[in-house]
Amino acid sequence: EAGVTQFPSHSVIEKGQTVTLRCDPISGHDNLYWYRRVMGKEIKFLLHFVKESKQDESGMPNNRFLAERTGGTYSTLKVQPAELEDSGVYFCASSQQGLGYTFGSGTRLTVV
Amino acid sequence: SQQGEEDPQALSIQEGENATMNCSYKTSINNLQWYRQNSGRGLVHLILIRSNEREKHSGRLRVTLDTSKKSSSLLITASRAADTASYFCAPGTGGFKTIFGAGTRLFVKA
Repeated sequence: EAGVTQFPSHSVIEKGQTVTLRCDPISGHDNLYWYRRVMGKEIKFLLHFVKESKQDESGMPNNRFLAERTGGTYSTLKVQPAELEDSGVYFCASSQQGLGYTFGSGTRLTVV
Repeated sequence: SQQGEEDPQALSIQEGENATMNCSYKTSINNLQWYRQNSGRGLVHLILIRSNEREKHSGRLRVTLDTSKKSSSLLITASRAADTASYFCAPGTGGFKTIFGAGTRLFVKA
């Protein structure tokens, strides 16, 4: 079974630009999560989809972040406009029963 | 959902030694998971221990859970340089959201 796939693996953009991260969960997994780890700090929850619906978006830092999950399959996380403090590793995970999530390899975002 | 706090923040040992890291949490849980993150890479699920279990083994990993003290420990035996990573615990309450702490940074010197 294919794992959780994230694209790109690394992105370097200038402050003010837009970046879109993509996550393809394991096929059939209804639950999809986004997390972020900034510079060696804790891994912070961003949001949780159940199929195409946002179940919990309490961790989204501000309105520069927009997450979508078209048709309940893959998800995108757009940052517009990007700021320096947005740099970090963005993780996506999926699960079917909310336990033992499978994480993707992450997207390392660098804003310069 | 709730957050686990790992201790110590950083740990440096020689290859072949054992590494022990701890996790504390605040309220009752259904299970607790440990994850590893290698530098700049994704999170890897290591082991899940349920609230009615006291100890669990997986290869060189040994996890204990003490629900009365609201704590867990992860022991890595005969450590290798490849074990160098950050380790996170994630206490679970049966809800969907997993909250992570800052992790323990383990450095294994060859």
